Amino acid sequence: GESVGLHLPTLSVQEGDNSIINCAYSNSASDYFIWYKQESGKGPQFIIDIRSNMDKRQGQRVTVLLNKTVKHLSLQIAATQPGDSAVYFCAENRYNAGNMLTFGGGTRLMVKP
Amino acid sequence: EPEVTQTPSHQVTQMGQEVILRCVPISNHLYFYWYRQILGQKVEFLVSFYNNEISEKSEIFDDQFSVERPDGSNFTLKIRSTKLEDSAMYFCASIVWLNTEAFFGQGTRLTVV
Repeated sequence: GESVGLHLPTLSVQEGDNSIINCAYSNSASDYFIWYKQESGKGPQFIIDIRSNMDKRQGQRVTVLLNKTVKHLSLQIAATQPGDSAVYFCAENRYNAGNMLTFGGGTRLMVKP
Repeated sequence: EPEVTQTPSHQVTQMGQEVILRCVPISNHLYFYWYRQILGQKVEFLVSFYNNEISEKSEIFDDQFSVERPDGSNFTLKIRSTKLEDSAMYFCASIVWLNTEAFFGQGTRLTVV
């Protein structure tokens, strides 16, 4: 069935290192993907998005890569900081279903000082 | 910066009671959503709402659930007869138009006892 999933439940990195969080999706018709950050007790916070006509998109310290061939996307965080510690979700946006978001299971990023 | 606001932040209710969760979406947004997140699990779509009617709903959104936009600013989720398994964080979200980023509120933690 259609799903969005994450490969690793927990990622631990040293402060200053780069982080890579991965996500797989199964619906080849998906055309819009969003990465969200969720801190404890808070709602999901938009980080970056990418549309299917792009392979890469960069923001401030974050980059999202989309590989449509293998239906995979990743979130790269440069120079990871303690404030980046959170759970990260990828979400598939379904334009033809009321623009609902289907979230993956989440990866917890832990940044060691 | 405009934000989605939700009240209350925490609601405790007895099983079988009705609860109403309230949301004020961002003022110029046109699409409204409710999601829920059971502790430690991923965020799940409940319902989307556009032009004063439901556009999509998930299997979770059964006859016990209803949504309403009673005026120009509020968007509510009602659970008629709460069950223990309704205990979760409930997030409201809104978007300005299709295929744009969703902004989430801070959530209401519903505890059914």
